[in-house]
Amino acid sequence: GAGVSQSPSNKVTEKGKDVELRCDPISGHTALYWYRQRLGQGLEFLIYFQGNSAPDKSGLPSDRFSAERTGESVSTLTIQRTQQEDSAVYLCASSLRAISNQPQHFGDGTRLSIL
Amino acid sequence: DAKTTQPPSMDCAEGRAANLPCNHSTISGNEYVYWYRQIHSQGPQYIIHGLKNNETNEMASLIITEDRKSSTLILPHATLRDTAVYYCIVRRPLTDSWGKLQFGAGTQVVVTP
Repeated sequence: GAGVSQSPSNKVTEKGKDVELRCDPISGHTALYWYRQRLGQGLEFLIYFQGNSAPDKSGLPSDRFSAERTGESVSTLTIQRTQQEDSAVYLCASSLRAISNQPQHFGDGTRLSIL
Repeated sequence: DAKTTQPPSMDCAEGRAANLPCNHSTISGNEYVYWYRQIHSQGPQYIIHGLKNNETNEMASLIITEDRKSSTLILPHATLRDTAVYYCIVRRPLTDSWGKLQFGAGTQVVVTP
């Protein structure tokens, strides 16, 4: 497809389990971003990747959160030992380049529910 | 990045133009104005952006005042599917902070039949 694709669209898991969320950016986009959006709240930046540069991890809330990206393609966000406060929609976005006037384009997110 | 102010809500009749204002009185010369919207249960959708000149695309028009202290997003013929929260964001490209989008409260637009 032409847009950012995220999977799964919904994920329900028990507290303490690990989860892995996937993002397929728009082809040709070198920058990829992860955000979290809690119910009724705004976007919370987590991490972004720009090409082969070291990612900006400044938004990751704890060491239970990590993300990887292979080249300029798929990215995975991993949450270890999930807690109930991790329940949120996790959004991925991509753009042509990170530091430019090019806009970010978002996927529809993964809705994560921790029981 | 400059702060933006938007009305919390507005209604619009289907088929009419929707004019969404945004105040960014502290904007600096190299900051762009971006508009996104978020329809319930979907990810944010990019609409349009501009620096100084008015811009138009297939979704909307962006009118930026000459002093750049405010702008208006125009949806020319609103439909029920345009019901969403609309966010006006001011960002400075060529800086590391561009990667960290922050949405304010936005304007809840409700299009009525």
